[in-house]
Amino acid sequence: EVKLVESGGSLVQPGGSLRLSCAASGFTFSSYWMHWVRQAPGKGLVWVSRINSDGSSTSYADSVKGRITISRDNAKNTLFLQMNSLKAEDTAVYYCASSRSGSYSCDNWGQGTLVTVSS
Amino acid sequence: SYELTQPPSMSVSPGQTASITCSGDKLVYKYASWYQQKPGQSPVLVIYEDYKRPSGIPERFSGSNSGNIATLTISGTQAMDEADYYCQAWDSSTVVFGGGTKLTVL
Repeated sequence: EVKLVESGGSLVQPGGSLRLSCAASGFTFSSYWMHWVRQAPGKGLVWVSRINSDGSSTSYADSVKGRITISRDNAKNTLFLQMNSLKAEDTAVYYCASSRSGSYSCDNWGQGTLVTVSS
Repeated sequence: SYELTQPPSMSVSPGQTASITCSGDKLVYKYASWYQQKPGQSPVLVIYEDYKRPSGIPERFSGSNSGNIATLTISGTQAMDEADYYCQAWDSSTVVFGGGTKLTVL
């Protein structure tokens, strides 16, 4: 069974930093592309970033470019999202999601972790 | 940047057919995916590559993509299908979601 478990969300002050993790199990993590998608309270899904299977290629939404870095540790089956210079508008539930190589969709999703940016 | 547009809401009577649209420039040349999200839950993939259903998704869910519009169709809609639905596509190595459609079954 595919399982994605996010952690690391918390309350952080504007301008602060946070590192989210996503622990993967039940599938060959190193063969899958991975994504972070966020959802502000009461709002829709917004794609944040993706990373290819070996970590050599990444892409970001314009709204987070330069402030957020996606990475992965295939030996530990873990995905990361380093968030710096956080703003109030970054407040959201952050989901990690997996994509089979060659897939154009997010096949499986975690339960999400809440990031609140507030003073 | 690329945009996908969905109607914010729609309603359907139980047993009837719901068709949720997603419009985007030359969307037919991109694969469209659809996700269902119920309150307090994570999204679930219900359609990928325009019309394919993942294992475990009921046959009443179907999809199509033509021209600038992708459509998610739910035939014989049930109360359990009440949820938010999001379309999604790739554009220039980034992923784009539509704004979502709240489907009410009443």
